[in-house]
Amino acid sequence: NAGVTQTPKFRILKIGQSMTLQCTQDMNHNYMYWYRQDPGMGLKLIYYSVGAGITDKGEVPNGYNVSRSTTEDFPLRLELAAPSQTSVYFCASSYAQGTRRNTEAFFGQGTRLTVV
Amino acid sequence: AQTVTQSQPEMSVQEAETVTLSCTYDTSESDYYLFWYKQPPSRQMILVIRQEAYKQQNATENRFSVNFQKAAKSFSLKISDSQLGDAAMYFCAYRSSNYGGATNKLIFGTGTLLAVQP
Repeated sequence: NAGVTQTPKFRILKIGQSMTLQCTQDMNHNYMYWYRQDPGMGLKLIYYSVGAGITDKGEVPNGYNVSRSTTEDFPLRLELAAPSQTSVYFCASSYAQGTRRNTEAFFGQGTRLTVV
Repeated sequence: AQTVTQSQPEMSVQEAETVTLSCTYDTSESDYYLFWYKQPPSRQMILVIRQEAYKQQNATENRFSVNFQKAAKSFSLKISDSQLGDAAMYFCAYRSSNYGGATNKLIFGTGTLLAVQP
């Protein structure tokens, strides 16, 4: 089972460049998330989606955009990359329906992004 | 808003010994879920154990167990018979069970880096 697949695993960007981090899940999960992980800061939520066509901001959305055209895919777009966006990015997915909310969140393997 | 605090940035334990990682959280909700995730050097996030707040019994998974103190808002992780493969970053996380909300998001602590000495 593939689970959550993120690409690329590593990327170096120059200041001002743009890129898209890809995320795909094959578990038919309705919820998908993008987190960033910075040293000593834990994981902070950038954007999330509760289903196809529905997205919303998390704690640190500035400088990012997302879309959710299908259940499987949840790409994260970085426009005009800045050094402050140097981080490790994680995509995750989970399933929640009605009272069933204790389910595990599955994570991709992360993308280490450096902006120089 | 809910917060999760891990006050131990680093911990060390001898192989085969027991170690306890601390986690406290703040919430006004009465029903929620708590998780411990392990992140080894590979970066993969691995679920270690989960606890449902309405259950009084502490969760256990093999060598891993929790001490859930709801009134104190404390959720510590105990690792027994520590192994070299337990060396990793450990994150405590909170999830609301608010059925009216739309987030279902995990709120993470800052993590505890566990070293296991042979």
